[in-house]
Amino acid sequence: EAGVVQSPRYKIIEKKQPVAFWCNPISGHNTLYWYRQNLGQGPELLIRYENEEAVDDSQLPKDRFSAERLKGVDSTLKIQPAELGDSAVYLCASSFEGLAGAGELFFGEGSRLTVL
Amino acid sequence: SQELEQSPQSLIVQEGKNLTINCTSSKTLYGLYWYKQKYGEGLIFLMMLQKGGEEKSHEKITAKLDEKKQQSSLHITASQPSHAGIYLCGADMDAGGTSYGKLTFGQGTILTVHP
Repeated sequence: EAGVVQSPRYKIIEKKQPVAFWCNPISGHNTLYWYRQNLGQGPELLIRYENEEAVDDSQLPKDRFSAERLKGVDSTLKIQPAELGDSAVYLCASSFEGLAGAGELFFGEGSRLTVL
Repeated sequence: SQELEQSPQSLIVQEGKNLTINCTSSKTLYGLYWYKQKYGEGLIFLMMLQKGGEEKSHEKITAKLDEKKQQSSLHITASQPSHAGIYLCGADMDAGGTSYGKLTFGQGTILTVHP
């Protein structure tokens, strides 16, 4: 079974440029998460989707970050314009959430962003 | 300050030695997850603990959640180079355990195992 797929793995851009990351979750997983991991830190949640609905985006910097999950499957995370402080690894995760609550989170390999 | 504190921040051991990584919270934990991450890669799920006093093992790795549900430890017996990586604890810190995957993570512990 394929895991969570993310692209690109690496991206280097100059500040003020836009960037987009793509995530394809595990088939059948209804919940999708975007986390950001700064160097030497643990991941921090940016946004969580249940199907196509963003149910928690309280940590997403909405002035420059946007996300969408059309059709409740794959998702994109966009930054426009990028700032130096956005350099980080952007991790996508998915899980199946049923009546018993959330199951195990499966993470993709991440997209490493460097803003120059 | 970190809601979840891991200690030590880094650990260097000789192959074959036992080691323990701790994860401490000032709040009650409603679900405690241990993940392993290799540099430049995603997180790999190791174990989840929910009940106070719960202990789980997988191969040479054992994790415990204390009775008060505010601290967890991860113990590796007879470490091997393949155990090297970053160990992260993540916790559901929402009262009632309703945060559904909104995990708060510790800063990670970097483990190096010398052959």
